[in-house]
This record gives sequence, C-alpha cells and structure tokens, in this order.
Amino acid sequence: QLHLQEAGPGLVRPSETLSLTCTVSGDSINSGDYFWGWIRQPPGKGLEWIGNIFYTGNTYCNPSLESRVTISVDTSKTQFSLKLTSVTAADTAVYYCVRLRRFADYVDSWGQGTLVTVSS
Amino acid sequence: QSALTQPPSASGSPGQSVTISCIGTSSDVGGYNYVSWYQQHPGKAPKLIIYEVSKWPSGVPDRFSGSKSGNTASLTVSGLQAEDEADYYCSSYAGNNKYVFGTGTKVTVL
Repeated sequence: QLHLQEAGPGLVRPSETLSLTCTVSGDSINSGDYFWGWIRQPPGKGLEWIGNIFYTGNTYCNPSLESRVTISVDTSKTQFSLKLTSVTAADTAVYYCVRLRRFADYVDSWGQGTLVTVSS
Repeated sequence: QSALTQPPSASGSPGQSVTISCIGTSSDVGGYNYVSWYQQHPGKAPKLIIYEVSKWPSGVPDRFSGSKSGNTASLTVSGLQAEDEADYYCSSYAGNNKYVFGTGTKVTVL
C-alpha cells in the first residue's frame, strides 16, 4: 500500500523559500509508470497543479509557477522535494504530494496534505 | 494554461442525478482523452473517481460516470446519496507533461 507523507515548516515568511519533502513508502520511487508531483489548494479554493518529477530527475512545471519552482528527487531516500522561492500570502495553501500515472495522466495517490502559511 | 471551467455549484435530491460540466480548450480537454475527476470531502485529500474520461478506479461505484464531447467533459452522479455531497474537480492532460485542474463544483444533496 503506497503511502505519501509531506513534511516541512508550516509557516514561511514573505519573500523567503518554501521547502517541502515527500517521503514515499510502500512502493518503489524508481518506477517508469509514474510521475511524482505537487498540487496545492489555497484555503477555500480549488486545486492547482504545481509540477511533476520523473525518477530520472526530469521535471515539468506549471508555467505560472515555473520561475519560482524547483522539484528534485532523491531515490536513495525515496523522497522528492519542492522548493518555491519568493513566497507571498498568495502561496498560502495546503500542499499535497501525489503520484501520477503516466500515459493515463491521473493522480492515483495523495498525501494527507500540509498547510503552509505565508506570514510575517 | 487557464483553469478548466466548472459550475460553482450543483444540487439534487437523494436518488436523482446531477451532471457537472468541465469546459476546456482544444489544448487540453478537447485534445486528449485524459480527463479525470476527483471527489473531495471537507478536510480530506481528493479521491480519484473517474480517469481517462469514463473509466472507474477499483472500488468506485458505477453511479459515477464520465463522458466528453469536444472541449467539454462531464461527470454524472446518478442515484444521489448523502455521502456524495462534496466538492468535485476535473483535471486534464494539457500536453508536454503538464496538467490543469477545473475550478471545482460543490455538490449539495438536498
């Protein structure tokens, strides 16, 4: 049974960098069948795709966030990470790490989500 | 890459059907048969209920059905039950390994 767990600070100051890590357990992160990704949801609002990474390190990001987003993977630790720079209050959201099925393009597993608040 | 358009709300009485639309463009919904739908209850992570326009993941009842015509995808919930009250989001592949979500629809069971 796949389990995804987000970890990181719940409070980030404006203009600083948001950093989150997702630990994958119960399945291999080195699968060619899946992307690993990040999705966020501001309080009371809808879902927004942030980006995906393949186990080889290839990344794909939402064009609206691309200039501020870095996604990386550490297969030895079965983890992947998100960094979002120059945050503002608009980046306050629940951040979910997810697994996406390639070639069918749907999210089949979600972490529980972690609320990150941007505030001074 | 704009969000797909969904109606903000939809409602129906128990046993009735409700249909939610998801309007995109030829660059996403209309261009690929990779539309998925997610159900989200308050405070919970979303759950996949339809993938590849009309396929069911294991364990999802066939009361949920999906379809697509042109740039518009649709989700129909038949035989509404109290537990179907939730937010629903569509998502589509948008080419070049990129994805886009819908604006979300709150379904109320009257």
